[in-house]
Order: sequence, then C-alpha cells, then structure tokens
Amino acid sequence: QQQVKQSPQSLIVQKGGISIINCAYENTAFDYFPWYQQFPGKGPALLIAIRPDVSEKKEGRFTISFNKSAKQFSLHIMDSQPGDSATYFCAATRSNDYKLSFGAGTTVTVRA
Amino acid sequence: ETGVTQTPRHLVMGMTNKKSLKCEQHLGHNAMYWYKQSAKKPLELMFVYSLEERVENNSVPSRFSPECPNSSHLFLHLHTLQPEDSALYLCASSQEGAFSPLHFGNGTRLTVT
Repeated sequence: QQQVKQSPQSLIVQKGGISIINCAYENTAFDYFPWYQQFPGKGPALLIAIRPDVSEKKEGRFTISFNKSAKQFSLHIMDSQPGDSATYFCAATRSNDYKLSFGAGTTVTVRA
Repeated sequence: ETGVTQTPRHLVMGMTNKKSLKCEQHLGHNAMYWYKQSAKKPLELMFVYSLEERVENNSVPSRFSPECPNSSHLFLHLHTLQPEDSALYLCASSQEGAFSPLHFGNGTRLTVT
C-alpha cells in the first residue's frame, strides 16, 4: 500500500514559469515531510523539508505548502530554470522512524 | 573522497551468478540503508543498519543479503537473482536522530540477464 501519492508523474514548464508538484498522505502520525531532488546518474539529495507546525516553508525559489487537515503538501518551484530539470520525490515519516515513505516521483523538464 | 560512494556503478549478472555491491560513507554517520529504485515507482527501503546492527528488514527476499562490518561500510550480497531484480540500488547514510536527512550515493545500476 502506497502511503504517499504524488502527482503529476511528469511536467514540462517554460523557463521562468512555476512548477507545482502535489503529494497526499494517509498516516496522520507522519510529522516530517522532506523533498528530494535527483539528477540523471545521481542519487537523490535533500532539497527542502517541512514539519506540520508550519503551513509554508521557503528556501530560495523552492516553497513547500502544507495542509494538515487535507493531509496534502506541495512543492512550488518559482522562476523555473533549465538547471531545475530533475526528478523530485516527496516523502513522509515519523520523526523517530527510520522508514521514509516516498512518492513515485515527478520528472520536471524546464524548456529554455 | 567525501559523501557516499557506491561501486560498481554498473553491473550485469546472470541469474546464477554471485556478486556484491559495496557502499562506503565518509560523513561520520551511524546509520546506513539500502534502497531499490525502479522506474516510476517509489523508492523501496530494503535494509537499515544502525550502529552496525540491522534494525529494519523490509520483507526482502533472501537472495539479497546485507552486511555491515563497520559504520562506514555496507555491502549487499546478491545470488540467484531474477530479471525483475534489475533496478538502481541506492545506498544512503544518516546520523541517528529525528529529522536527520538521508545522504545517497549515486547507485549501482543492476541488470539481471
């Protein structure tokens, strides 16, 4: 059973546009929601993370929005650049757990 | 060398072969992980070692056998694999404690013929 559902599977955006990736989870015990970015030929790397005590977190052009009541969170990439072209994975876990539940990933392509 | 290093980068093996994947971390972390990555599927956690003890075994078939001789090294021993085991195998490490991020290696691309 997939605990974190991610959409869309892929998206194409023009340079300067906004990329939006959505994730939904079922387990209300989850209290840590990281996003990982993976470039071709590389392993995933932590991009940004949020805890449910805040509704939004921003780091540069990347923003996580969190809706606890809807059990949803999303990643917004503002002013998308060709260098942002990568696969993005959302994830969720409990803070005292080793196990991260990952979404299936979204491949973002930014066209120049 | 920094970060998490995995060798080999690519591996092709027959169903009757025995091979091993190696992972080494230079970050001083005390937890290490094996993940399986298949196309268009979530990363699947296979094994977790904390302080060199296995703390998670995610219902992985016995044809995959992990080994963690010390906190810096992790191996995945493979034998009599199936074609459906073809995937990218990722090693990761982290520090014990809440909210500690995973640091991944670049993976071993395994093809079982």
